[in-house]
Amino acid sequence: EPEVTQTPSHQVTQMGQEVILRCVPISNHLYFYWYRQILGQKVEFLVSFYNNEISEKSEIFDDQFSVERPDGSNFTLKIRSTKLEDSAMYFCASSENGQGGTEAFFGQGTRLTVV
Amino acid sequence: GNSVTQMEGPVTLSEEAFLTINCTYTATGYPSLFWYVQYPGEGLQLLLKATKADDKGSNKGFEATYRKETTSFHLEKGSVQVSDSAVYFCALTGSSNTGKLIFGQGTTLQVKP
Repeated sequence: EPEVTQTPSHQVTQMGQEVILRCVPISNHLYFYWYRQILGQKVEFLVSFYNNEISEKSEIFDDQFSVERPDGSNFTLKIRSTKLEDSAMYFCASSENGQGGTEAFFGQGTRLTVV
Repeated sequence: GNSVTQMEGPVTLSEEAFLTINCTYTATGYPSLFWYVQYPGEGLQLLLKATKADDKGSNKGFEATYRKETTSFHLEKGSVQVSDSAVYFCALTGSSNTGKLIFGQGTTLQVKP
């Protein structure tokens, strides 16, 4: 069964460093997403990406965040200068389209720890 | 704006007990409603969904009915198993056409033998 894969599963970084979280969405999907979950809190939407551009982003997704689809398979989230409060589980997801009832498929997540 | 509220957990039940996890939402227009489940060490998986009022989603013995009059989408199962132990997330997509999901805070279910 097709699945979304994320690497690494756990990343530890020092405050102020740049990190890149990687995702391989399901191959025929057109919409890609990043969500995050700070420990004990809600899963929060960060950004959606379609046709090689951001289609929607939340207020969390400020200038220190960026996304890219550098080739036909990978989808990355870059955090330029990490802060302690960026520590969270980051989930990548993909879907066939952006229509309201469409299922999103999630990866297993990358746990980011900023020290 | 759109939001989802779930009952606080954790919920602890004995095997074969009846499960209800409450979920209510606030949204403009006609959202689609979802329950996602996260088993230990895994990502979120779609459990069931409903896309219009009075629709009932069902899967693996779980059910939820889209109630527009009470803005609710409560998850139920008649007889839980130990293997149902997981975190359950209620979510909605609004009218943005980007597929953005808005999640509730998640409810941890622990089923004891």
